[in-house]
Amino acid sequence: LAKTTQPISMDSYEGQEVNITCSHNNIATNDYITWYQQFPSQGPRFIIQGYKTKVTNEVASLFIPADRKSSTLSLPRVSLSDTAVYYCLVEKSSASKIIFGSGTRLSIRP
Amino acid sequence: EAQVTQNPRYLITVTGKKLTVTCSQNMNHEYMSWYRQDPGLGLRQIYYSMNVEVTDKGDVPEGYKVSRKEKRNFPLILESPSPNQTSLYFCASGEQGARETQYFGPGTRLLVL
Repeated sequence: LAKTTQPISMDSYEGQEVNITCSHNNIATNDYITWYQQFPSQGPRFIIQGYKTKVTNEVASLFIPADRKSSTLSLPRVSLSDTAVYYCLVEKSSASKIIFGSGTRLSIRP
Repeated sequence: EAQVTQNPRYLITVTGKKLTVTCSQNMNHEYMSWYRQDPGLGLRQIYYSMNVEVTDKGDVPEGYKVSRKEKRNFPLILESPSPNQTSLYFCASGEQGARETQYFGPGTRLLVL
């Protein structure tokens, strides 16, 4: 499993776009990149997953450059309710174990 | 409603008194797993199960047992709890493996005195 590195914390304001970058220099060919969101005292919730280029869903976009050594989770027009910890995971398609890194604590201010 | 349920949600116990935390999912998922979350240490996987009767150790299995006799249930057993097992525990399930979207339960907060 590739190790991931994320900023420990980030601050932003309501209505802004927030980009959280994750480094995964040792990513393997068959690894996928997945992001989860966790609110205090709740279980993590899946946000988005991708393999290459760009993936978009109703809540976020995921940008993955050609070398796949990093990825960026983009949250458009954040609100106070986006305050949470965001985890970047890298897993093989045949993965059995799951490793959560330390995550990025995102704080949104009015 | 598709969900993962855990019971109990809160538990206070004493050192050495065996306990079981139940986990059940209604999504017919093959993969299930247990995590503990501690301040400063993040989420760590305790055990996982790829399917019925198939279980394996995660990163922190010491002091825990699991069983997977039915697809929907994956109980976590602490045979002799110790204070260092005081933590917030989450159960999760996914369709087939770790790469699939994981659905987490609401958590069980355990205090071992």
